Amino acid sequence: GAGVSQSPSNKVTEKGKDVELRCDPISGHTALYWYRQSLGQGLEFLIYFQGNSAPDKSGLPSDRFSAERTGGSVSTLTIQRTQQEDSAVYLCASSLAVVETQYFGPGTRLLVL
Amino acid sequence: AQSVTQPDIHITVSEGASLELRCNYSYGATPYLFWYVQSPGQGLQLLLKYFSGDTLVQGIKGFEAEFKRSQSSFNLRKPSVHWSDAAEYFCAVGDWNTGNQFYFGTGTSLTVIP
Repeated sequence: GAGVSQSPSNKVTEKGKDVELRCDPISGHTALYWYRQSLGQGLEFLIYFQGNSAPDKSGLPSDRFSAERTGGSVSTLTIQRTQQEDSAVYLCASSLAVVETQYFGPGTRLLVL
Repeated sequence: AQSVTQPDIHITVSEGASLELRCNYSYGATPYLFWYVQSPGQGLQLLLKYFSGDTLVQGIKGFEAEFKRSQSSFNLRKPSVHWSDAAEYFCAVGDWNTGNQFYFGTGTSLTVIP
């Protein structure tokens, strides 16, 4: 069956521009997570959704970051006024429920010049 | 504060040798734990998980891990390493009570030499 998909796979942008990253979870998965993986670092939790709501936004690194999920399915992570330190791989994962195995997408590699 | 520690940044083992990757956590009284593997250019793949019950869990590719509550550890083991096991390994911890956050360690990079 189809796994978690993310687009674009790679994104190069200029400092100060906005970017939008997309995640398509596995069908039927109610929980969706966003993580950031910087070079040589572990995974940093950003935000999770249960259905369309995001009960916990504490992981978002700044107010330039926002995320939404519509229809209990697709999610977008938006970074406004990108900075060079935003360069990283952004990973999305989904699970059947919150306390369940998370299945990861291939990630979006973001480079801010 | 919650944390997941993987003390070994990089490990090198010979093919056929045994392997143990360490993971310690400081997160809640009712943890659930995972090990993921990330091969170069690949996404994260679940190796095994512990939710409850038997503290020794078996995973894919011949891996196993043991949950030791007294030591707050969830170490990953394999009796005989194959060259294809070279990858980055991540331990992850969540908590049944909160359920809403999920913490990863910084990873252990495994090199396998012939």
